[in-house]
Amino acid sequence: EPEVTQTPSHQVTQMGQEVILRCVPISNHLYFYWYRQILGQKVEFLVSFYNNEISEKSEIFDDQFSVERPDGSNFTLKIRSTKLEDSAMYFCASSSGEGRETQYFGPGTRLLVL
Amino acid sequence: AQKVTQAQTEISVVEKEDVTLDCVYETRDTTYYLFWYKQPPSGELVFLIRRNSFDEQNEISGRYSWNFQKSTSSFNFTITASQVVDSAVYFCALSDDGGSQGNLIFGKGTKLSVKP
Repeated sequence: EPEVTQTPSHQVTQMGQEVILRCVPISNHLYFYWYRQILGQKVEFLVSFYNNEISEKSEIFDDQFSVERPDGSNFTLKIRSTKLEDSAMYFCASSSGEGRETQYFGPGTRLLVL
Repeated sequence: AQKVTQAQTEISVVEKEDVTLDCVYETRDTTYYLFWYKQPPSGELVFLIRRNSFDEQNEISGRYSWNFQKSTSSFNFTITASQVVDSAVYFCALSDDGGSQGNLIFGKGTKLSVKP
């Protein structure tokens, strides 16, 4: 069964450093998402992406965040200058149709900013 | 405003007990979708069910069943004859027309512990 994959599974970085989280969505899906989950808290929407552009973003997704689909398979989230409060689990998701279709999530990348 | 409330923070049961996880949602839209996801200790989010606002039929899948009641804005999840492998955090989520691409609004989750 096709699944969303994410790399790395864990990332430790120093405050102020740039990180890139990578995702490979399900191959025939067209809509892509990033969510984050601070430890022990609920899952929060960051951004949605369709047709090579951002469709929607939350208040969390400020100027230090960016997303890109650099090729036909990868979908990346870049955090330009990490802060301590960026420590969280970051989930990528994809869906086949417009957002009300089921979003399938990757296993997540646990980011720790020191 | 859209909101999902899962009032039960943690539930602990003994194996083979039935358990119901509550979910109450708020939305102004007439068209919306409700979801349940399971997050086992390994951390991934596993899709369980999607239900649209026009389909109020209850659904059963093996030991899992869902009770959707628009009158009370609730979408409760019952596990019958719980097993240790059911131990996880369960999230209820809402997607409505407020988000153009259907971003999910999650509840805070209910942590279910099933003891042998």
